[in-house]
This record gives sequence, structure tokens and C-alpha cells, in this order.
Amino acid sequence: AQSVTQLGSHVSVSEGALVLLRCNYSSSVPPYLFWYVQYPNQGLQLLLKYTSAATLVKGINGFEAEFKKSETSFHLTKPSAHMSDAAEYFCAVSANTGGFKTIFGAGTRLFVKA
Amino acid sequence: ETGVTQTPRHLVMGMTNKKSLKCEQHLGHNAMYWYKQSAKKPLELMFVYSLEERVENNSVPSRFSPECPNSSHLFLHLHTLQPEDSALYLCASSQNSVGEQYFGPGTRLTVT
Repeated sequence: AQSVTQLGSHVSVSEGALVLLRCNYSSSVPPYLFWYVQYPNQGLQLLLKYTSAATLVKGINGFEAEFKKSETSFHLTKPSAHMSDAAEYFCAVSANTGGFKTIFGAGTRLFVKA
Repeated sequence: ETGVTQTPRHLVMGMTNKKSLKCEQHLGHNAMYWYKQSAKKPLELMFVYSLEERVENNSVPSRFSPECPNSSHLFLHLHTLQPEDSALYLCASSQNSVGEQYFGPGTRLTVT
């Protein structure tokens, strides 16, 4: 079975500062890992995904994430926050275990201060 | 534009009404999903269809009834809902069981 934990339900950064959103996962088989973003009154949008190729994954809007198997982590980073990054971010995990269950984290709301 | 559309975007219904939510995907995907998103709660998977066959049904009350007439369309039929059913209902699609999902904009449902 898979699970995912996002550390911190709210993160606040200043514009131009580093963004770091934390995600730890659990999986008994090699996982597929995802980060999604949700803006108000919209659905979730894929930011990036890890599918066992490069451990450093680059996504849209300047975000990237690094898969660290030893730490079971997949943290999301962006060097310089922009006001438009304010949104809710979800980490998710799936695996080839025969089902259709992608497990989503509880979400982290990112606030960006001017 | 994610290739997944949902209608209506907003719906207010009384507890005795019957309504349907519609989802359409233009991506040629094989799987479609219904999720419920409530404030301060994790995303809840309700139903999954793969090649028009229901493959997941997560203990959802019978007042929610899904229908998948073909691989591009998914419906959620609603009847005798409760106020706690008020939420954002999201539809998604994916190519397979482990790949990324593409979400529609959601239907904001309010039950009065």
C-alpha cells in the first residue's frame, strides 16, 4: 500500500524567496510521484512527475522536485517565489499494484507575501 | 485548458432534488475518476471507471450514482442529498492506472 504525507498545511514565503514544500511517501514497490497545483475555483493541474528516470525532475513554472529514495522524500522547490505561485499544492503517489488508486496528500497552501 | 470539461460549474439543489453532473474528456484516455473535495479534508476518491467498467467504488452512499456510457463521458447522478454532501466535485482522466491524472475545473455543489 502507498501513503503520502505533506509536512505543513500552510507555508508562507516572501516574494523572491525560496519555496520548499515537503512530501514524504511510503510504498512497498517503486513509486510514481506527482506534484499538482490547485488555484482557487479550479481543478488540480500537474506540475511535475517522477517515473523512475532522472531523480531531479523539472516541471512547469520553474518548479522542480528531487526523488530521494533513502529519505523517501519528494520535496518541491522553486528558487524564487512569485505572487502568482500562491495556491494549494498536492503531492501524490501511485504504483503498479493492480489498482487505480493514486493517493493524494492533504495539501499545502502556499502564501506569498509582497 | 486541460482537456477535461465539467458541467455545470455551480449547482445549488435542495435535498429532494435530482440532478446530474457531467464530465467529458478529449484526451483519448482509458480511465475516468470522480473525486469529492471538501474544505479541510483530503481529496476523496469516489469512483473509477476503466474502459467503461467500474473498477473502484469507495463506500460511497447510494445517493451518488455514477454512469460511464463511453470512454469520453462520465456522469454523477445525485438524489436526496444531504447538506454534508456540499463540496467541490472533481472529474479526472488518465491513460492508465499509474499515470498522471488530468482534472476538470470541478462542480461546486451546495445542498440546501
